[in-house]
Amino acid sequence: TQLLEQSPQFLSIQEGENLTVYCNSSSVFSSLQWYRQEPGEGPVLLVTVVTGGEVKKLKRLTFQFGDARKDSSLHITAAQPGDTGLYLCAGPEKGSGSARQLTFGSGTQLTVLP
Amino acid sequence: DAGVIQSPRHEVTEMGQEVTLRCKPISGHDYLFWYRQTMMRGLELLIYFNNNVPIDDSGMPEDRFSAKMPNASFSTLKIQPSEPRDSAVYFCASSLARGELQPQHFGDGTRLSIL
Repeated sequence: TQLLEQSPQFLSIQEGENLTVYCNSSSVFSSLQWYRQEPGEGPVLLVTVVTGGEVKKLKRLTFQFGDARKDSSLHITAAQPGDTGLYLCAGPEKGSGSARQLTFGSGTQLTVLP
Repeated sequence: DAGVIQSPRHEVTEMGQEVTLRCKPISGHDYLFWYRQTMMRGLELLIYFNNNVPIDDSGMPEDRFSAKMPNASFSTLKIQPSEPRDSAVYFCASSLARGELQPQHFGDGTRLSIL
């Protein structure tokens, strides 16, 4: 099983601050996905990155896939309380072929204080 | 469009009892996944189905856990007998078959507490 390590595990910041969370692995992934999970709900897909070095923006969120496709980062600009949630990265399990089995990181719990 | 529907949302029962969790995937999705989420272990895949057929159940903790998918619109995860360490949030997710980039769509989960 390929492991995805996320850091930091917990992050509490004030509204308006910027932040970056990380997703790292010793294995190469063909793609990585980022999900956000709010309390009492299931994870919801934010973005999928495919190409090494790729940068995708979703409003105030910027996602980057490492050149070697072993790591990814999520940067949030001017965080808002609505950004509060558990951020999970996930990648297809090696050898799963068309099975689409995902490995999930342990997540970063973000709290944005008003 | 209706998303993945799970029931019940909450279940509290005494150890030794049988627990059945239910899931209705999004219509037309070929894959169905059962996950368990805890603070200690995060989100763990238990089992997944393709076209109603179980493909990989290596994540199922032990024989007390079983899952079925009798048709394309319904799946169950059963624990018998239940134990306090089974307490967790159980998620069902579904996805389309084409390409590995398809997102998994999660239900809102069943919060299970075994006393």
